[in-house]
Order: sequence, then structure tokens, then C-alpha cells
Amino acid sequence: EAQVTQNPRYLITVTGKKLTVTCSQNMNHEYMSWYRQDPGLGLRQIYYSMNVEVTDKGDVPEGYKVSRKEKRNFPLILESPSPNQTSLYFCASSPAKGTKEETQYFGPGTRLLVL
Amino acid sequence: GENVEQHPSTLSVQEGDSAVIKCTYSDSASNYFPWYKQELGKRPQLIIDIRSNVGEKKDQRIAVTLNKTAKHFSLHITETQPEDSAVYFCAASINNAGNMLTFGGGTRLMVKP
Repeated sequence: EAQVTQNPRYLITVTGKKLTVTCSQNMNHEYMSWYRQDPGLGLRQIYYSMNVEVTDKGDVPEGYKVSRKEKRNFPLILESPSPNQTSLYFCASSPAKGTKEETQYFGPGTRLLVL
Repeated sequence: GENVEQHPSTLSVQEGDSAVIKCTYSDSASNYFPWYKQELGKRPQLIIDIRSNVGEKKDQRIAVTLNKTAKHFSLHITETQPEDSAVYFCAASINNAGNMLTFGGGTRLMVKP
């Protein structure tokens, strides 16, 4: 089954304690992205990756890091989480431009609470 | 960069009525406009999309229209049903593809039985 998976789905942590949210897709998609969703602000892009070893900042990258060492995985790293990073996080993937189904598939979401 | 504005932020309709959600975008180079539906506690899912070479696209009860000159596009849902209740997001991309999306702020649609 084609899917995007994220782990963990729920996480409560404390300020300053490093954490990683994993994202994996089994569709061989080139493009992957991280979004955060906050009430009234919609989906804001944090980072994206056009392919392995290629990453770039989105609209709200401060406080986050990513890596793309393998095509299927795109982890989101919070080196020193702060309460303003409490949010719902979505990973998404899509095939490269020019392929037949050029749509973005979302993971199930990770709800993060930073105390 | 691209800026997408979406209105209204909330919309309440009676079952069977039509619902219209409007979005405007700022970058005239944008050429791909998807709409996503997000049910409570679930992930956003694509419901319909349109590319800049088309003015209108329809899929059963939902349709999307695009006015490139005015830089706005709209989602139309006819004969609304309670299961249409969700948050709807519009988005725009300059890449003519599903990546590089800028999202609108979302519209919470409530369909009252």
C-alpha cells in the first residue's frame, strides 16, 4: 500500500530536549516536505527536499533541521524545542514534476507538545 | 514569494445548499492549484486540482474555477451533505506540480442536517 508514515504520532517533551520525528514514504517520490499546522494559520512549510542530499528552507525553518540521506526518509529534527513549536506536524511527498500523478501525499500527522 | 489568501475562514450551510470557497494568489507565475480536504483528526487529502491552462474542472459535486487574470480560484460544492463538513485548503504552485505548494489559511465548512 502506498503511504507516508510518521513517528511518533503524539509526543510530549520539555523545552530544550532534542527530538526527531521520522517520515518515510514507499512511493519512490523525489520530493518530500514538512509542514506545521496551527489554528488559523493553515499549513506552513518548514523544509523541503527535491531529492537525496538536496534540502531547502520553507517559510518557517527557524528551530528545525532536516536531512535526506535516503530517498524514502526525511526526518525532522528539533535540536532545542521551545513551547512555540507546539503544533501539528505533517510530512508529505510527491513525485517529481512531469510524472503522471503530480500530487502531494500527506502522512498522518504528529502532534507535538513542548512544555 | 507566493501568498495565498482564502475566504471565508468559516462557512455554515444547510444540507443540500451550495458552498463556495474563494482563494487569491499573488504570484502570476503560479500554474497549479489543488484543493485539499481535512476531516477532523485526519491528514489533508487532495479532492480536486486545476492547472493554469484550464478555466474550470468538475468532478461530480465539486468543481473548481480559475481566473488567471484576476489571480483567483474557487471551489464549488453543490448539494452539500453532512460528510462534506471538514476544513478545506486551497494551494498554489509555480512548479506546475504537487510540490512547492503555498497553502491558504483554510476554511472550516459545516453542513447542518
